[in-house]
Amino acid sequence: QLVESGGGLVQPGGSLRLSCAASGFTVSSNYMNWVRQAPGKGLEWVSVIYSGGSKYYADSVKGRFTISRDNSKNTLYLQMNSLRAEDAAVYYCARDPRGNSFFDCWGQGTLVTVSS
Amino acid sequence: SYVLTQPPSVSVAPGQTARITCGGNNIGSKSVHWYQQKPGQAPVLVVYDDSDRPSGIPERFSGSNSGNTATLTISRVEAGDEADYYCQVWDSSSDGVFGGGTKLTVL
Repeated sequence: QLVESGGGLVQPGGSLRLSCAASGFTVSSNYMNWVRQAPGKGLEWVSVIYSGGSKYYADSVKGRFTISRDNSKNTLYLQMNSLRAEDAAVYYCARDPRGNSFFDCWGQGTLVTVSS
Repeated sequence: SYVLTQPPSVSVAPGQTARITCGGNNIGSKSVHWYQQKPGQAPVLVVYDDSDRPSGIPERFSGSNSGNTATLTISRVEAGDEADYYCQVWDSSSDGVFGGGTKLTVL
């Protein structure tokens, strides 16, 4: 199970950190992702952290967002800086059990609103 | 970057077969995964690795992938299948890619 938290209202240019607590499996043994969905829009992949620690980002967030994990807390994070209106979305964390494959477990999502 | 193209909408009568396509350059060389998303809910994996089904997904859901088109086929469509469906692959830069999504309407 995955449970996200940390969403909320933030002003343009502001920062927010999302958390995704996992239970039933070990975050560090899987490829953990963030996927977002703007209101009324489709799914957009945001970032992945490999079990080995490598990190990749969508061009739209590169240099502004940072994915990380805390193995002791079995939790995934997404630090979002320099937020823009177009970053407003529901953010889901999702598990990829194999690497560059499918997302077999999703959280319920957390809503990020960017507005002044 | 790699682009996946899906039709915005597909309509089908109950009991009939729905086919949702996902187009991409030489997509047949990639593994394609499909998700179902109902309003207000997180996506659910329905087909992975082109044609495999996770446990708990009905046999009515199947997939294929060849050339420049992958297809999700839903046989004997039910009212409960009405949802948005997304295809997904990984590109050569280790970036995830989703199709734009297809809204399945059960008439």
